[in-house]
Amino acid sequence: GESVGLHLPTLSVQEGDNSIINCAYSNSASDYFIWYKQESGKGPQFIIDIRSNMDKRQGQRVTVLLNKTVKHLSLQIAATQPGDSAVYFCAALGETDTGRRALTFGSGTRLQVQP
Amino acid sequence: AAGVIQSPRHLIKEKRETATLKCYPIPRHDTVYWYQQGPGQDPQFLISFYEKMQSDKGSIPDRFSAQQFSDYHSELNMSSLELGDSALYFCASSLGGFPSGGTNEQYFGPGTRLTVT
Repeated sequence: GESVGLHLPTLSVQEGDNSIINCAYSNSASDYFIWYKQESGKGPQFIIDIRSNMDKRQGQRVTVLLNKTVKHLSLQIAATQPGDSAVYFCAALGETDTGRRALTFGSGTRLQVQP
Repeated sequence: AAGVIQSPRHLIKEKRETATLKCYPIPRHDTVYWYQQGPGQDPQFLISFYEKMQSDKGSIPDRFSAQQFSDYHSELNMSSLELGDSALYFCASSLGGFPSGGTNEQYFGPGTRLTVT
């Protein structure tokens, strides 16, 4: 089955610095990946996605890097702001043991931005 | 802009009771996803529907069922509730499925907090 995990449970950065959140996945057949941001008491918010035929995708202040060789992806946030403080989840889409496609979330990383 | 609407926002049930959670997707979105998030845990994908047909299935217990109606709203039916079913249940919607020619971007609702006592 798929397992997705994050390397660090909490990341503390200074305002204005760049943040990097890492994620590892186990299913080499995963072909679609999403990063979500979840603020306290709210539902997850889509940040950026990437398909397995890409190794990099950029959004507004965010970049996702995918390394299929080592089954690793990262989320880079440029010029981190206090409003970026939240829990970040990665999710991988791939076939389950039953042959159906399912999205598996990793354990969240809490990003704390220090003023 | 209209967002995903979930009702009720809070629900308290006793063990072995049933519960129905409702989700109203963003207008024109054709895909609905259900997730369960236990306290301090990451969201677990339960099930999704595309154009009123079940499209993907995750870790949804057999005690749960769901469907998407002709107006694209969806309902998650939960029977024989257990204490471990206490969680936040999120619904998300998107234009297109997992992934497709649509935007794929999933918009999450505020969630329904289910407490089973």
